[in-house]
Amino acid sequence: NAGVTQTPKFRILKIGQSMTLQCTQDMNHNYMYWYRQDPGMGLKLIYYSVGAGITDKGEVPNGYNVSRSTTEDFPLRLELAAPSQTSVYFCASSYDFGNTIYFGEGSWLTVV
Amino acid sequence: AQSVAQPEDQVNVAEGNPLTVKCTYSVSGNPYLFWYVQYPNRGLQFLLKYITGDNLVKGSYGFEAEFNKSQTSFHLKKPSALVSDSALYFCAVRDRERDDKIIFGKGTRLHILP
Repeated sequence: NAGVTQTPKFRILKIGQSMTLQCTQDMNHNYMYWYRQDPGMGLKLIYYSVGAGITDKGEVPNGYNVSRSTTEDFPLRLELAAPSQTSVYFCASSYDFGNTIYFGEGSWLTVV
Repeated sequence: AQSVAQPEDQVNVAEGNPLTVKCTYSVSGNPYLFWYVQYPNRGLQFLLKYITGDNLVKGSYGFEAEFNKSQTSFHLKKPSALVSDSALYFCAVRDRERDDKIIFGKGTRLHILP
């Protein structure tokens, strides 16, 4: 039962570097999300997608980009990494907004 | 305006005692309410949800939650706590004022003391 799979699990980036967090789901969900989790701050929505070819900004989109070329994949791109982007990132998916959200295991990113 | 609030950062309960983790919401219309649990170094897992119907919702691992419309609350409860219940718990609400997206609370850390 794969569910939502995201890679890498851990990554250390230097300031100014770029990287892509990969996410794939095998539940044929149309809706996919990227959240970041900072201590004591809960989850903040970065970007979301309601289907292939459609993406939209969440609460904290600055410094990130996404694409959704297929139903299964929803990569998150960090351009010009900054220390403020040090966080735990979660990819997630759901059938629609009103249904259960399934989360990946998380990606721990440190920018130094 | 904040859509969902978890007023306690941490709750400590002795093993075997009943537990309550509080959640209040402020959205228009009929809310969709959720509880998720996060174990250390893991993603969030769904526990239960309320959409309509019976105000008492039963979920995974013996948890239940009571929807109270007059108090705009959706508190998570369990009759007898286990040490393995120690985790971070998130309340979430579908906010129709924010394009129907799910908004998460800040989380409440539950410590079950042996």
